[in-house]
Amino acid sequence: RKEVEQDPGPFNVPEGATVAFNCTYSNSASQSFFWYRQDCRKEPKLLMSVYSSGNEDGRFTAQLNRASQYISLLIRDSKLSDSATYLCVVNMERYSSASKIIFGSGTRLSIRP
Amino acid sequence: NAGVTQTPKFQVLKTGQSMTLQCAQDMNHEYMSWYRQDPGMGLRLIHYSVGAGITDQGEVPNGYNVSRSTTEDFPLRLLSAAPSQTSVYFCASSRDWPRGTQYFGPGTRLLVL
Repeated sequence: RKEVEQDPGPFNVPEGATVAFNCTYSNSASQSFFWYRQDCRKEPKLLMSVYSSGNEDGRFTAQLNRASQYISLLIRDSKLSDSATYLCVVNMERYSSASKIIFGSGTRLSIRP
Repeated sequence: NAGVTQTPKFQVLKTGQSMTLQCAQDMNHEYMSWYRQDPGMGLRLIHYSVGAGITDQGEVPNGYNVSRSTTEDFPLRLLSAAPSQTSVYFCASSRDWPRGTQYFGPGTRLLVL
């Protein structure tokens, strides 16, 4: 089993739709969670951190479910510009060892007009 | 601020050649890291540094060396290139990683023949 797993997609949804995807992680001691966005042939950029209480940034909502060991990303009212690959990132060490930052392989999202 | 810069953008090497991928940041971040990204896989950590003079191995360090003589620069050396090192390489920096945001450079695409 991979330490961090994501559905690779692609998710192909119409503009204006709501889309959600999950990321599961294997280590229950994981401490920090992030969603990054990566456009085609570009570098990853932080979309949002994921806090225990969940957090929202405009159309984007991230949640953490420690009991089931997954994080989720919800995008409401999707825009064409949301088309990208979304990377889940988990810090798996209790004491924040830099060597246990694990990236998921990404979920590809395509928004159609 | 230029952020994180990487050179070269593209490189073709023959098996057995050596080269250095350059990375620099102007944000005075203590933490810097190198990742490789291969199709269908998440970014994998090669080496990282928590400050000038301090480096450590990540998940896939074999075949690569790093040094950190200044806060700004973190070069990655391929000692004897192999086709398995064909990949996209990203350098990243952070003020408070691994808990905080990582800022990535634009990447270097490397092809080893």
